[in-house]
Amino acid sequence: DGGITQSPKYLFRKEGQNVTLSCEQNLNHDAMYWYRQDPGQGLRLIYYSQIVNDFQKGDIAEGYSVSREKKESFPLTVTSAQKNPTAFYLCATGTGGGGYTFGSGTRLTVV
Amino acid sequence: AQSVTQLDSHVSVSEGTPVLLRCNYSSSYSPSLFWYVQHPNKGLQLLLKYTSAATLVKGINGFEAEFKKSETSFHLTKPSAHMSDAAEYFCVVRSYSSASKIIFGSGTRLSIRP
Repeated sequence: DGGITQSPKYLFRKEGQNVTLSCEQNLNHDAMYWYRQDPGQGLRLIYYSQIVNDFQKGDIAEGYSVSREKKESFPLTVTSAQKNPTAFYLCATGTGGGGYTFGSGTRLTVV
Repeated sequence: AQSVTQLDSHVSVSEGTPVLLRCNYSSSYSPSLFWYVQHPNKGLQLLLKYTSAATLVKGINGFEAEFKKSETSFHLTKPSAHMSDAAEYFCVVRSYSSASKIIFGSGTRLSIRP
């Protein structure tokens, strides 16, 4: 069953703590993306990666970091430098032919 | 630069009546356009896409969209709304400055009245 798995579904972070969101895919897609979703603002691109060991900043990369050590995985770390991390985070893959496949998301809350 | 504008943040229709969700785009090139649907606390699902073939595009769940270059529009329609259509809908354009990037509209929340 091909698809994208995001974990955990819910995540709570304390002030000053780094947390890592997992995104795994078995679609054999080269490109992977991380988006942040806030109410009424649509989706904003954080980071994306088109090939292994390479990634690019999106529109709101400050306070986030990523790695792409293997094709199947694209974890996102929300660092303590991100001052307003509470949001819904979506991972996606793309084939370049149009249309993305999205994971089911991780809801991050600062406590 | 490419952009999309969804003209309504919230649309409410009665079950069984037509649905119209409006989207206007801006693009210097012939655009690739998409509609996605998101149910609460879920990921996004592709409804349909336009990539320069037929201007009337049919998608899943009875939705369709018409590409109108003269009006720079790509409105999403459905003849008869169902309760399960209640969700958030996003109009999306592919960026040509970076072919792998897509740009989202701000979304339209569709509510269905019984």
